[in-house]
Amino acid sequence: EDQVTQSPEALRLQEGESSSLNCSYTVSGLRGLFWYRQDPGKGPEFLFTLYSAGEEKEKERLKATLTKKESFLHITAPKPEDSATYLCAVQSSGTYKYIFGTGTRLKVLA
Amino acid sequence: DTGVSQDPRHKITKRGQNVTFRCDPISEHNRLYWYRQTLGQGPEFLTYFQNEAQLEKSRLLSDRFSAERPKGSFSTLEIQRTEQGDSAMYLCASSFSGTNNEQFFGPGTRLTVL
Repeated sequence: EDQVTQSPEALRLQEGESSSLNCSYTVSGLRGLFWYRQDPGKGPEFLFTLYSAGEEKEKERLKATLTKKESFLHITAPKPEDSATYLCAVQSSGTYKYIFGTGTRLKVLA
Repeated sequence: DTGVSQDPRHKITKRGQNVTFRCDPISEHNRLYWYRQTLGQGPEFLTYFQNEAQLEKSRLLSDRFSAERPKGSFSTLEIQRTEQGDSAMYLCASSFSGTNNEQFFGPGTRLTVL
C-alpha cells in the first residue's frame, strides 16, 4: 500500500537557522512527489513537483530533492513568514489519487 | 480568474441531515479533486474528475458520499445522513492536464456536525 511519512512532526527554528524536512514514501511506481505549504485555515499551496531520483527544484529559500525512497525540503536562512505546515504527497502509477503525509509544522522565530 | 472557490465556507448541521458543497475550479482546468482534512492530518483523497467523468473514488468513501461534475465545470459533493465523524474541512483542488500536476486548492468548506 502506498504510504507517506513526514518527519519531524514539528520544528522550531530561529530566523536564519537552516534545516531540512523529510518525506519518506513507499509506492508501487512513482508518478510524482509533491510539496505543498499550508497556512492555518487555508488550502494547501503548491511548491514543487519532483518526478525522478536525483531531481532538484528551488524556489527562494526552499530546495526540494528526491531519492528513490525519500525527499527532503531544505530551508535556507528561514524567515518568520516561512512558518507554516509543509505537506508532502505522492501519486503512484496507475492511479489518479494523491497520498498526503501528515505534514511538518514549522515555526520560525524572529 | 481568482482561483478555486468553494461555497459555503462554513456549514453547521445536525446529525442525520444532508449537506451539499460546491466547488468552482479555475475555468480552464479539466481535472478536479475532492479531499477531506481533519486537524493535524494531511488531506485525504475522496474522488477525482476529469472533465465530467468521475474516474476514481476512494475505497474508504462511504456510500453516503456522492459527487458530480455536470458539464465538466463546477462540482458538488453531497453527504447524506451526516454523522459526527464527518466533521472536517472539505477541500477542492483543480489542475490542468499537461502541466506539472500542480493542484490549486480552494479555501475549503468547514463542516461541523452536531
